[in-house]
Parts: sequence; structure tokens; C-alpha cells
Amino acid sequence: DTGVSQDPRHKITKRGQNVTFRCDPISEHNRLYWYRQTLGQGPEFLTYFQNEAQLEKSRLLSDRFSAERPKGSFSTLEIQRTEQGDSAMYLCASSSLAGPLYHEQFFGPGTRLTVL
Amino acid sequence: DQQVKQNSPSLSVQEGRISILNCDYTNSMFDYFLWYKKYPAEGPTFLISISSIKDKNEDGRFTVFLNKSAKHLSLHIVPSQPGDSAVYFCAASRDNNNDMRFGAGTRLTVKP
Repeated sequence: DTGVSQDPRHKITKRGQNVTFRCDPISEHNRLYWYRQTLGQGPEFLTYFQNEAQLEKSRLLSDRFSAERPKGSFSTLEIQRTEQGDSAMYLCASSSLAGPLYHEQFFGPGTRLTVL
Repeated sequence: DQQVKQNSPSLSVQEGRISILNCDYTNSMFDYFLWYKKYPAEGPTFLISISSIKDKNEDGRFTVFLNKSAKHLSLHIVPSQPGDSAVYFCAASRDNNNDMRFGAGTRLTVKP
């Protein structure tokens, strides 16, 4: 396992279109997180899963955003009716509930979304 | 609400000298602190962490200091190397690790 992977790496879309991103976490990690990062800012928490259960959502996650992790493995983040303000880097991270590294989240390379 | 703040957007240091990156937080419930390093076109990578029960953690050239009373932590890199040039993010979490808060980052440039 080479780490957290995300697909696609870049997405350009027109305002009003729907987009879906995929994240594959490190295989034995129970927790999966989604973050958004805009220019000049650190990552902002959006939501997280423990196995297949979505346990917390930030108020940043509007009704147009939905995330799933159906089998407790990979996750998808969908944005409906995209707006120009959705343009950002979307980062996925995973972590293990057990062991000495349980506080550390391991990040993927991100998906850069540009909404025209 | 900016619960984790990195007030210096950039820092430039000569190779071989010490780099000191600072971070302040406001939420006293945070009990675990992490530093991440980020290169362009990559996601953040974990660098070093510290629990609130400690005031110092060292890993090779990297040392993190925590001052709980001041709600301040710092990352020391010594000696600094050109390969250390990156954006450094400070992050804080509570024990349940559900919601990690990041600072805005400090861009470190180490000049040869």
C-alpha cells in the first residue's frame, strides 16, 4: 500500500455542473477525512467517517455536498450545482484508531477543483 | 473561527542556521498538536507531534516545544537544509481526533 490516493488530481468544470471525487485510504485505516484548502489557508475540516459511518460534518458542508463511504473502504465526495466559490483543493486523509500513530492523519495529494 | 494561528506567512533562513516556526491556539481543549510539511502539488505530510502532557518532543533535526500556559508551540529545525523549504502547517486536535484544526501555514525558504 503506497498511501492515500485521490482521483482525479485536477477537475475543471462549469458552474452548475455536478462533480464527484474519489479517495482511497490506506487499507487498514478505519477513519477517513475530507478537507478543503483554499489559497493561503490551511486545510479546513469538512467531514469524517469511521468505517462506513459518517460521524461528523462541518457547517462548511452545505446541502450541495455529500460524502459516502459505502463499504468502509474508499469514499466519494460529490458537489452538486457547483459554484465558483467551490474552487479549492479537496484533500482526503485517513488514520487508524489503534496504535501509536492514531493521532496522525495521512493525506492524499488532493483534487484541485476549478469552477469556471 | 481561527482557533489555530500561524502569524508569519513566510520565513527565510540561511542553510545551516536554525529555523523557528511559531503557532498559537485559542482552544484550551486541544490536547494534541502536530506539524505537517507540504510541498507543491502534494498533500501535507506528517512531520512531528506532541501531546499536551509534554513540553518538548525531539526527532532528529526537528524539535517541537509546547507552552500550554501561553497556548503557543514552536517548531525548531536545526540545522536547516534547502530540502526543508516547504509550507509548514501547525495543527491541533482533541483526544477524539475528529476535527483537526490547521493554521494557515508558514512558507519556509532555506537558502544555500
